[in-house]
Amino acid sequence: GNSVTQMEGPVTLSEEAFLTINCTYTATGYPSLFWYVQYPGEGLQLLLKATKADDKGSNKGFEATYRKETTSFHLEKGSVQVSDSAVYFCALISFGNEKLTFGTGTRLTIIP
Amino acid sequence: SQTIHQWPATLVQPVGSPLSLECTVEGTSNPNLYWYRQAAGRGLQLLFYSVGIGQISSEVPQNLSASRPQDRQFILSSKKLLLSDSGFYLCAWRPPRTGPNTEAFFGQGTRLTVV
Repeated sequence: GNSVTQMEGPVTLSEEAFLTINCTYTATGYPSLFWYVQYPGEGLQLLLKATKADDKGSNKGFEATYRKETTSFHLEKGSVQVSDSAVYFCALISFGNEKLTFGTGTRLTIIP
Repeated sequence: SQTIHQWPATLVQPVGSPLSLECTVEGTSNPNLYWYRQAAGRGLQLLFYSVGIGQISSEVPQNLSASRPQDRQFILSSKKLLLSDSGFYLCAWRPPRTGPNTEAFFGQGTRLTVV
């Protein structure tokens, strides 16, 4: 079955630091990959996605590249802000499977 | 445009009491619907999903059940709540028959505390 392994948190960084949150996956076929963000007390919002190998998803300064050879989709941002503090989830859907499978989430805290 | 509504936002219920959480989607037809639970300090656990009226797939055996009485309505229920049912419940929808490239859209969640 499908699974997503995500970097354990929590992660605490200083403002303007470089961010990487690791995500690797196991899936049948060629899945689509997603990063969602959850701000305190809220539901999940799509941050970015990539639907085929070597695609790069990007949004709000965040980027992630679909790496088929390493089955990875690591989230990066060059300079984080306090407002980026949230929980980040890596997820996938594979063809023929209607279930969106999530990683365990990584809590990110940015300190000024 | 499509919107998803989930209510209530917060709920405090005693052990052994029933539960009913409701989710509705507007602006689309025959959506795929999902219920997830997020326990404190843990990730998202898929509880149920539905690809059509009366079609419910259960992912985790437990004392919860789901129903889809109308095309865009998804209800999560329990006859008797347990303390372990406490958590943050999220409803989500995806467009039907669009393949894996389409993301899911989430409601604002219901925080359930069983006391």
